[in-house]
Amino acid sequence: GAVVSQHPSWVICKSGTSVKIECRSLDFQATTMFWYRQFPKQSLMLMATSNEGSKATYEQGVEKDKFLINHASLTLSTLTVTSAHPEDSSFYICSARRGVGQETQYFGPGTRLLVL
Amino acid sequence: DAKTTQPPSMDCAEGRAANLPCNHSTISGNEYVYWYRQIHSQGPQYIIHGLKNNETNEMASLIITEDRKSSTLILPHATLRDTAVYYCIVRARNTGNQFYFGTGTSLTVIP
Repeated sequence: GAVVSQHPSWVICKSGTSVKIECRSLDFQATTMFWYRQFPKQSLMLMATSNEGSKATYEQGVEKDKFLINHASLTLSTLTVTSAHPEDSSFYICSARRGVGQETQYFGPGTRLLVL
Repeated sequence: DAKTTQPPSMDCAEGRAANLPCNHSTISGNEYVYWYRQIHSQGPQYIIHGLKNNETNEMASLIITEDRKSSTLILPHATLRDTAVYYCIVRARNTGNQFYFGTGTSLTVIP
């Protein structure tokens, strides 16, 4: 159990376009999902915390208008990178937490974004 | 959240036990110790977590010192597939649940 999927697994886009990444909890309901970004040879950096039915909470330095997060259901959160630029190229990873009192996070396989 | 310190890299012979240390000297009483690993170009995989007592599951054992200022993750019989970056994270319960990843330990299992 505790499987998290992401779609797409990789995407290449032109500069200026918007890209949507989906994160789904397949076999459990996730009250909270998290979005991370990882640059080559670096650790994961938390971008935002997404609670179902409410606005996401962004970490300091992360532009909320640039990275739009929607958590419309207990099994789906989406991250939209708006007007992507080459510096947004990165590995984007989501995680999900089962519910209150369940602290363990289960991570998706990641989405590799390349902006040309 | 308390910060953690891990050695940047370690080697281990295949079949031997891999002991990965983590220092968390500023950990507070309600903070758990979590271990995850990340194999190249994949999402992190949950390994184990604990508060005070030692823990064991099918993947690994977690030894936490009595003063809780450090812990050791033990992979009892390392295989080549255990080559990964291992992250030790401490976080408080019910305070937003965010995980802040450090730099981790890159473990290489050598044939």
